[in-house]
Amino acid sequence: AQSVTQLDSHVSVSEGTPVLLRCNYSSSYSPSLFWYVQHPNKGLQLLLKYTSAATLVKGINGFEAEFKKSETSFHLTKPSAHMSDAAEYFCVVRGTDSWGKLQFGAGTQVVVTP
Amino acid sequence: EAGVAQSPRYKIIEKRQSVAFWCNPISGHATLYWYQQILGQGPKLLIQFQNNGVVDDSQLPKDRFSAERLKGVDSTLKIQPAKLEDSAVYLCANSGLENTGELFFGEGSRLTVL
Repeated sequence: AQSVTQLDSHVSVSEGTPVLLRCNYSSSYSPSLFWYVQHPNKGLQLLLKYTSAATLVKGINGFEAEFKKSETSFHLTKPSAHMSDAAEYFCVVRGTDSWGKLQFGAGTQVVVTP
Repeated sequence: EAGVAQSPRYKIIEKRQSVAFWCNPISGHATLYWYQQILGQGPKLLIQFQNNGVVDDSQLPKDRFSAERLKGVDSTLKIQPAKLEDSAVYLCANSGLENTGELFFGEGSRLTVL
């Protein structure tokens, strides 16, 4: 079975400093991995996805993530945090069953301070 | 194109009462999902429809939860009778037209059970 573990439940960064959100996955096969963002009282929005093409994936709003098979990791980064990045972020793995069920991590709450 | 619409956005009920949530998905997108997101946790899949047929309801508490999707379009999720632990945000989502794993979420219906 596929699963993801988000290593930090909360991350606090200063505006203009780098952001790192850590995610490890468990999968028997080459996984499809995603990062979603959820702003307060809003629906989840896809940031980026990895589907076995390039290991460095660029997403929206300046975010990117690197797939590292040797470390079973898919960490999300951004060089410079903006106040609008304050939100909850979810790492997601897609199952290999015929319907490709998505398994969400527990989430990382990001706080950005001025 | 219009996004996924959900109503009501907020609902407060007492335990043992019933509640229903409605989802109007993106037109033409065959797969529809209901997720439960308890505070501090990632979304958990309750039920997945392909057109108007159920393909996964393994995590749906069938003694109290029910869902239907009429004519493969709108969907309703019902809870009867509600328990305190049902307090959560109920998210409806569509898959994309291409089977990439990306989901399009509504803003959710927040349920508080007193």
